[in-house]
Amino acid sequence: DADVTQTPRNRITKTGKRIMLECSQTKGHDRMYWYRQDPGLGLRLIYYSFDVKDINKGEISDGYSVSRQAQAKFSLSLESAIPNQTALYFCATSDPTGSDTQYFGPGTRLTVL
Amino acid sequence: GEDVEQSLFLSVREGDSSVINCTYTDSSSTYLYWYKQEPGAGLQLLTYIFSNMDMKQDQRLTVLLNKKDKHLSLRIADTQTGDSAIYFCAENIGNTPLVFGKGTRLSVIA
Repeated sequence: DADVTQTPRNRITKTGKRIMLECSQTKGHDRMYWYRQDPGLGLRLIYYSFDVKDINKGEISDGYSVSRQAQAKFSLSLESAIPNQTALYFCATSDPTGSDTQYFGPGTRLTVL
Repeated sequence: GEDVEQSLFLSVREGDSSVINCTYTDSSSTYLYWYKQEPGAGLQLLTYIFSNMDMKQDQRLTVLLNKKDKHLSLRIADTQTGDSAIYFCAENIGNTPLVFGKGTRLSVIA
């Protein structure tokens, strides 16, 4: 079973719609992250959370919000989707005791029409 | 500020060695990482190196770290078609999220 899961894996939506992407992990890690990936731009950090009561903005948080419902769950919302939010979205987790290696989910491909 | 740079593309022939290079700017990095992303998949950790090491070898993979020049490289020996992917370099700077490069797309020609 995958340690980091994301739902849905693919989503097509229309401009102005609210959508939520969900991430769950069974690794027991305190730290969780949301990234988006666009061709040629690499990974850009949207939000991150170092524990259940901690939420921090990343490089490109405008137009996004997050909720850390539990240690294992971190969801990303687009309140009013726009076409330039079409991208591949990744969730990741890490454990700061040691190398703080990040472990990634399989990604959600989002298309906003 | 921190920045991690990589060339965007590399093309090699099957059986040759591949060398993917990365430069970083923050000398306080504690760990440096290499991730692999295959088409349609998430990033998978290949290996990482602690900043007090110069080299780490793991089967076909060799990581070299030059702290003086802030240069990290990943060498893949006997490159195979299954090594075709995007490779990301990343650095850990204290208690902050990893900083990733933009990725190097490796194409292996049969």
